[in-house]
Amino acid sequence: KAGVTQTPRYLIKTRGQQVTLSCSPISGHRSVSWYQQTPGQGLQFLFEYFSETQRNKGNFPGRFSGRQFSNSRSEMNVSTLELGDSALYLCASSLGQYNSPLHFGNGTRLTVT
Amino acid sequence: EDQVTQSPEALRLQEGESSSLNCSYTVSGLRGLFWYRQDPGKGPEFLFTLYSAGEEKEKERLKATLTKKESFLHITAPKPEDSATYLCAATQNYGGSQGNLIFGKGTKLSVKP
Repeated sequence: KAGVTQTPRYLIKTRGQQVTLSCSPISGHRSVSWYQQTPGQGLQFLFEYFSETQRNKGNFPGRFSGRQFSNSRSEMNVSTLELGDSALYLCASSLGQYNSPLHFGNGTRLTVT
Repeated sequence: EDQVTQSPEALRLQEGESSSLNCSYTVSGLRGLFWYRQDPGKGPEFLFTLYSAGEEKEKERLKATLTKKESFLHITAPKPEDSATYLCAATQNYGGSQGNLIFGKGTKLSVKP
């Protein structure tokens, strides 16, 4: 069974630009969550989608947005990039049921210069 | 404020030297406590879910336990391949959702042959 796939693996952008990251969940998983991982803050929750609806949102500015498609694939977008947005962005999928574990992809490493 | 704290930040062991990693949590209405392993350049890999105080789960050389305030990950006779960062995370009943995990900052374990 294929795992969670994130593309691209690496991305370099300039301040002020925008970026879109993509995530394909494990087949059959309807929930997709996004996390930002930095050395200082660790993993921080961005948002969760379930059946194309945002189910929960973390404490990030409105520049961070996401969506989920009918096939459960998800994208997240960051507009007006700042240097502090440099991080590893992780996508995780799950069945979305009570305490079903998250399964993570290997992330997209975003560097903002 | 809901939070998860892990200690120590780093742990160096000799092969075969057993030890424990600590995860203390202050989360209103704990729904589940999760342990993950993360290797460099990869996303977190799910290990265990614990639901209630007194629960224990085992997998190979790893055993996770849960009390009302903390969780322990015991590593028995570790091998160099157990070297990784171990992450603890919690979900909550109130205001949380399935995909919203509160992560600790991890314990980086190094096992020397």
